[in-house]
Amino acid sequence: EVQLVESGGALVQPGGSLRLSCATSGFTFSDYWMTWVRQAPGKGLEWVANIKRDGSQNHYVDSVEGRFTISRDNAKNSLFLQMNSLRAEDTAVYYCARDTTHSDTSGHYFDAFDIWGQGTMVTVSS
Amino acid sequence: AIQMTQSPSSLSASVGDRVTITCRASQGIRNDLGWYQQRPGKAPKLLIYAASSLQSGVPSRFSGSGSGTDFTLTINSLQPEDFATYYCLQDYNYPRTFGQGTKLEIK
Repeated sequence: EVQLVESGGALVQPGGSLRLSCATSGFTFSDYWMTWVRQAPGKGLEWVANIKRDGSQNHYVDSVEGRFTISRDNAKNSLFLQMNSLRAEDTAVYYCARDTTHSDTSGHYFDAFDIWGQGTMVTVSS
Repeated sequence: AIQMTQSPSSLSASVGDRVTITCRASQGIRNDLGWYQQRPGKAPKLLIYAASSLQSGVPSRFSGSGSGTDFTLTINSLQPEDFATYYCLQDYNYPRTFGQGTKLEIK
């Protein structure tokens, strides 16, 4: 069974750090881009970051650039999000998602976040 | 960043109805758009990618269309399990951006 399981969420004070993990199983992890998406309480979805199959490329939303670092360990089939200098506005459920990139006949690629974890809650508060 | 604007923000409909949700991009994004469904307390679920390609396992009553700046998600013959919140997501460039969501409620 294909599965993603996030962990590491906690209550942390503003300015603190936290490392989220996403353990994967049931598929060849190194074949896929991976993504983090978050959702503040009662709010919509926000794309946070992604990372290429071999970890050689990553991208971030502006609001976390320089504070968050996405990484992966293909030998352990795991995805990570290191979050530093946390702010109240980072409070959210954090989801990891697998990106099955589809291509058309011209070789153009499309994102498709087809498998999601159950999410882990991060609360930033004093 | 590209802004994605969905309309309406909320919608009431009955089982068996046909509904359409619209997503507009602040600039052209070709057909680089996906649609996601989220039920309360659950993770999002992929419905459509590349604007009109139905994800495997998703019922055929869901369909997507559009290109450039204007996109639609149509649900034919609403079923009880379809009452949820729907989001569009552009994957034309970085950062990826979601629409604000459309909450579909039972009338």
